[in-house]
Amino acid sequence: AQSVSQHNHHVILSEAASLELGCNYSYGGTVNLFWYVQYPGQHLQLLLKYFSGDPLVKGIKGFEAEFIKSKFSFNLRKPSVQWSDTAEYFCAVRSNNNDMRFGAGTRLTVKP
Amino acid sequence: EAGVAQSPRYKIIEKRQSVAFWCNPISGHATLYWYQQILGQGPKLLIQFQNNGVVDDSQLPKDRFSAERLKGVDSTLKIQPAKLEDSAVYLCASSLEGRTGELFFGEGSRLTVL
Repeated sequence: AQSVSQHNHHVILSEAASLELGCNYSYGGTVNLFWYVQYPGQHLQLLLKYFSGDPLVKGIKGFEAEFIKSKFSFNLRKPSVQWSDTAEYFCAVRSNNNDMRFGAGTRLTVKP
Repeated sequence: EAGVAQSPRYKIIEKRQSVAFWCNPISGHATLYWYQQILGQGPKLLIQFQNNGVVDDSQLPKDRFSAERLKGVDSTLKIQPAKLEDSAVYLCASSLEGRTGELFFGEGSRLTVL
C-alpha cells in the first residue's frame, strides 16, 4: 500500500525566510501529487498539483513544488514566507486506483 | 458555486451512542470521499463513492461504521456504537470523475466521544 511521509511536524520561521517542506511517497506506479493547505479554522484547500510534464509546478500564493521521480519526492517551497502563510500543509498522493492518501501534515508558524 | 456542505459541524456524544454525519457534494461531482482526521494526523480515507457505488472501503471499520450514497448525490456516514478513539474530524470531499480531479473539501464535522 502506498504511504506518504512528511519529514517535519512543526516548522517555525520568521517572515521573509525561505521555506522547504519535505514530502516522500512510496509507490512504484504512476502518481498524481498534491499539496493542500489548511489555514486556521478553514477547510483544506488545494495549493498546487502535479500530473505530468514540467516537474516544477507553481501554485497559488507564490508556492512551488518539484517532483523528483528518482527520489519519490515532491517538496514544497516558497522563497519568502509571510505571516499569513501560517497554516498546516498536507502532501497527498493519488495512485492508479484513484486512492488519495495524505501525509501527517506539517504545521508552519511564521513569526511576524 | 456552492462548496461541499457538511452537517453537523460539531457533535458530542457518549461512548456506545450512535451518530450520523451528512454531506452534500458540489453539484455534478461524481466522486465523494469520507476521510477521518484525528488530531495531529493527516486525513485517512474511510470510503470512496463513484456515483452511488463504493469504489474503496478497505479502511472503513465495518463493524461500527457505515456509509451510503443512495441516489448518487448526498451521503451519510454513521457510527454505531461510537468508541472514544472515534473522536476526530470527519471530512467529506468531492471531485469530478477521473483521476485528475482535484478534491474539494467541506469544513468537516468534529466529533467528540466522551
